[in-house]
Amino acid sequence: GQNIDQPTEMTATEGAIVQINCTYQTSGFNGLFWYQQHAGEAPTFLSYNVLDGLEEKGRFSSFLSRSKGYSYLLLKELQMKDSASYLCAVNGHGQNFVFGPGTRLSVLP
Amino acid sequence: EPEVTQTPSHQVTQMGQEVILRCVPISNHLYFYWYRQILGQKVEFLVSFYNNEISEKSEIFDDQFSVERPDGSNFTLKIRSTKLEDSAMYFCASREGDRGNTGELFFGEGSRLTVL
Repeated sequence: GQNIDQPTEMTATEGAIVQINCTYQTSGFNGLFWYQQHAGEAPTFLSYNVLDGLEEKGRFSSFLSRSKGYSYLLLKELQMKDSASYLCAVNGHGQNFVFGPGTRLSVLP
Repeated sequence: EPEVTQTPSHQVTQMGQEVILRCVPISNHLYFYWYRQILGQKVEFLVSFYNNEISEKSEIFDDQFSVERPDGSNFTLKIRSTKLEDSAMYFCASREGDRGNTGELFFGEGSRLTVL
């Protein structure tokens, strides 16, 4: 089976740093993706990890540990526009991308 | 910038009716997907399509659903005999392929289906 877990909600202050965790158990692993989804909109791609370690992309970084089935998304210098849901998705095997439940982040002034 | 386009943006239908949701994937992409998201819930995989056939489908994608690529650009999802629980946002997505890219999914803006 495939299972992906994320915290349901998080709150942080503008200008701060927040870490959103994701744990997964999948049959096979071809990569882990983070998406951002604003309310009522489509998910948009943020980052991709296939090897262990940290990938940095501007204010966003993503980390992967395949042995632990664990990833996190790090958002720095938070802005109000970062208020959104953050979705962890795993390409386990074949063409299937399985999404986690998403973490709703609220950025407060 | 190339994008995935979906029509209609919103469809209201009566229970038991058939609906067809349409998608135009990005032109050089090889893999096509349908996902659905019931309000307040997670994005759920329905089906993937490659080389003019279904490559994978989930348990949700039963005989009520079908997909088709009727020409070189469109990719459709047909839902027969809609039920109240089919009310959701349906996202089409495409991705380029497996070589020289991260393989991320590009999503359309979604088609909101409301079944009354």
